[in-house]
Amino acid sequence: QQPVQSPQAVILREGEDAVINCSSSKALYSVHWYRQKHGEAPVFLMILLKGGEQKGHDKISASFNEKKQQSSLYLTASQLSYSGTYFCAANSGGSNYKLTFGKGTLLTVNP
Amino acid sequence: DADVTQTPRNRITKTGKRIMLECSQTKGHDRMYWYRQDPGLGLRLIYYSFDVKDINKGEISDGYSVSRQAQAKFSLSLESAIPNQTALYFCATSDSLQGGTEAFFGQGTRLTVV
Repeated sequence: QQPVQSPQAVILREGEDAVINCSSSKALYSVHWYRQKHGEAPVFLMILLKGGEQKGHDKISASFNEKKQQSSLYLTASQLSYSGTYFCAANSGGSNYKLTFGKGTLLTVNP
Repeated sequence: DADVTQTPRNRITKTGKRIMLECSQTKGHDRMYWYRQDPGLGLRLIYYSFDVKDINKGEISDGYSVSRQAQAKFSLSLESAIPNQTALYFCATSDSLQGGTEAFFGQGTRLTVV
C-alpha cells in the first residue's frame, strides 16, 4: 500500500517555507525522499532510518517518527530550483524490503 | 555513461504486440526494480529482484513479466500490450543494506500503446 503524502500540491513564492508530510499504514524501517523535475528521473534527497532522526542538507531537512509511522520534509527559504514533484518512499524493512512510493507532492516556486 | 540505462527511451506499439523494455546498470547493485509512473499516481512497483534467482511481484504485476538475465540486466516484458499500459516506466537499482540505500533511476521509457 502506498504511503499517503500531503498536500498534493503547493505553490510558493521564492523565499517561503513548505512542509510535505508522508504517512504509512505499515511499520517503517526507513523513509526515503526523492525529487523529480518534469520529464526527468527521480533524484535521491535523503534517507531517514528508524530511530527518529532528523537530517538535512542546505535548506532541505526531514524528520522521521517511526512510532507515528510519519515523516516530514521541510523546505526553508525556497528557491526556484526547488520546484518539482517530491516523493516519499517507505521501506518496511526485512531482508526482502522494497521501496513503495507515495503519489507525490507538486511544489511550484514562483519568483 | 549513465549508471542505469534504459532502452528504448520512447516506444509506440500496437495493442496486442509483445514488447520488452531493457535495463542495465553499472553500479554493481544486487537489487533492481521496475516502476510505472502515471500522472497523479506516483511510482507504482511492478516487479523487483534481489539477485538473479530471486524475483518478486510488486503492487501491479498483472500483464507484466520480468527476466533477470544477469546481475546487471533486468528486463520488463508486456506479453500482449493494451492501451492502459501506456505510461512512463522507470528501472531503478539499489544496494542491499538493511535500511535501504539510495535508489538510482534510469532515464525512463515512455511507452505508448495504440
